[in-house]
Amino acid sequence: NAGVTQTPKFQVLKTGQSMTLQCAQDMNHEYMSWYRQDPGMGLRLIHYSVGAGITDQGEVPNGYNVSRSTTEDFPLRLLSAAPSQTSVYFCASSYLNRGSNYGYTFGSGTRLTVV
Amino acid sequence: DQQVKQNSPSLSVQEGRISILNCDYTNSMFDYFLWYKKYPAEGPTFLISISSIKDKNEDGRFTVFLNKSAKHLSLHIVPSQPGDSAVYFCAASDTGAVNKLTFGGGTRVLVKP
Repeated sequence: NAGVTQTPKFQVLKTGQSMTLQCAQDMNHEYMSWYRQDPGMGLRLIHYSVGAGITDQGEVPNGYNVSRSTTEDFPLRLLSAAPSQTSVYFCASSYLNRGSNYGYTFGSGTRLTVV
Repeated sequence: DQQVKQNSPSLSVQEGRISILNCDYTNSMFDYFLWYKKYPAEGPTFLISISSIKDKNEDGRFTVFLNKSAKHLSLHIVPSQPGDSAVYFCAASDTGAVNKLTFGGGTRVLVKP
């Protein structure tokens, strides 16, 4: 049982390049989300999805795109990378019903540097 | 403006003593609160949660207290152990936004042997 798998773990991009951060979960969770972590800012929600074919914006969506074609996968696309997008990105998944912790499982993160 | 704030960026405590982490929130619609623990190079892992209908929840060495009138919650770790050294995040959600969590900035805890 792999949980939430994120690839790659590290990435360096040049300003203006595009790339896709991959996220896959094998727990049949309906809900998936992407967060970015910056020093002193905690984790901020970028985009989320409550099921295949349904996505919505979070707190900091600009410069990012998502799609959810299957329950398992929720890729995050950087359209034209900027230095302000240098951050650690976490993907998370959970069941939709509220439980003691939503069954919220995080991936191990992707550290992205934009130069 | 941050709706969830952890005003202490770091905390150092001796092994065996109590660690107290604090968290304040401004959104009165928040009704569910969680604490996550994060080690370097890993994703956050769930630690303990509390609903707004309660003022205390306990799980082993971890206790969370909620003061709704003050919009304040705290996490107590007793006794603290070296393995508790990590970054702790407070998070909150409201009934109208199920599953969407708002996180605080985190508190780095160092437990000295």
